[in-house]
Amino acid sequence: DTEVTQTPKHLVMGMTNKKSLKCEQHMGHRAMYWYKQKAKKPPELMFVYSYEKLSINESVPSRFSPECPNSSLLNLHLHALQPEDSALYLCASSQDRGPTNEKLFFGSGTQLSVL
Amino acid sequence: TQLLEQSPQFLSIQEGENLTVYCNSSSVFSSLQWYRQEPGEGPVLLVTVVTGGEVKKLKRLTFQFGDARKDSSLHITAAQPGDTGLYLCAGGPYSGAGSYQLTFGKGTKLSVIP
Repeated sequence: DTEVTQTPKHLVMGMTNKKSLKCEQHMGHRAMYWYKQKAKKPPELMFVYSYEKLSINESVPSRFSPECPNSSLLNLHLHALQPEDSALYLCASSQDRGPTNEKLFFGSGTQLSVL
Repeated sequence: TQLLEQSPQFLSIQEGENLTVYCNSSSVFSSLQWYRQEPGEGPVLLVTVVTGGEVKKLKRLTFQFGDARKDSSLHITAAQPGDTGLYLCAGGPYSGAGSYQLTFGKGTKLSVIP
């Protein structure tokens, strides 16, 4: 199993809603990531979890709240989002292969629209 | 943050033509990666280059890492419509705790016309 599974694939939410994005992998990877990708732009790193601990938070607004319940699951809780938060949210995972052997596996993403 | 500049941003070519995409930085990278992304999907890793001057081939795709490890190129020979997609270079530091802080270039959107 070399897949990173993200649900839902599409999500439409209002600015007052609370929703969660889910990500799952069963490759035994101990690092998991959230990236945000706006249309026609490259992915931008949001959060990194390493061994289930938050190791990197790229100055993301608090309306985005990550959670790593266990080594296979990663959630992104959304609350009071703005229309400009509409984007493709990508989850990725990686195995610790040392400093020059990185390989990230990406999910297909959740296409989020905030109305 | 180590910045990566990609060029060209857009490329539209006829089937059978050759093309080269460039990824440049003022920073030295321990390694650089190339990903390909199709609409509505996540990026998929094509190759990682590690050693300065290294050349790697993946069928019709040839990847090169600059001698100074600040730049890389992707050359496609005899492009096919199936090569259409967004090509992204990426690099960044290893955190030392099992994770990687990858930054992506802005990407090259390639369209191969039959």
